Amino acid sequence: GAVVSQHPSWVICKSGTSVKIECRSLDFQATTMFWYRQFPKQSLMLMATSNEGSKATYEQGVEKDKFLINHASLTLSTLTVTSAHPEDSSFYICSARPPSWSSRQPQHFGDGTRLSIL
Amino acid sequence: SQQGEEDPQALSIQEGENATMNCSYKTSINNLQWYRQNSGRGLVHLILIRSNEREKHSGRLRVTLDTSKKSSSLLITASRAADTASYFCATDSDSWGKLQFGAGTQVVVTP
Repeated sequence: GAVVSQHPSWVICKSGTSVKIECRSLDFQATTMFWYRQFPKQSLMLMATSNEGSKATYEQGVEKDKFLINHASLTLSTLTVTSAHPEDSSFYICSARPPSWSSRQPQHFGDGTRLSIL
Repeated sequence: SQQGEEDPQALSIQEGENATMNCSYKTSINNLQWYRQNSGRGLVHLILIRSNEREKHSGRLRVTLDTSKKSSSLLITASRAADTASYFCATDSDSWGKLQFGAGTQVVVTP
């Protein structure tokens, strides 16, 4: 089946650094990818919709300058957490929607990236 | 804001028992999906039920959808310790496929 790979799976870094998370669709082309954030013991919250070749669409309350999204190819979307602080520590999960997707099909999720800011 | 509300928040049962969890949502949907998440891991897709469907089965899983009440239920029959996980419902309400997740139900199955 379709696979979405997320890298890294776990990252620890110092406050103030920027962290890039990659989301790759391995065996299909994804025109649209989604980025979610999940705090411990909470649900997933949609952060933004990433469309290949165009600007991402951010959900209300998500800082565009804080969470930079780039979807430069049909198989790769990146989320960069800029100047990360401890409150940015969270579990970030991406999902991908193939071009032939319809509302009758599920999306494909990555395994997530656990980000810990010291 | 979250589209779906789930209950119960937590469920503790013994192996062999059935587990039922419910999800309510607010707006019209294209489909509703159920996912499982083991602690600290990614999401595993379980079942997708379209808005014109009322019931769907997959192995030990049974999902119902009542669009008039804007609610869905997930039944896990003959539960196993390996079913211990958090279960989320998610609704797809727009043409982009954005998912709005419920708060989740944490299920613990004891041997």
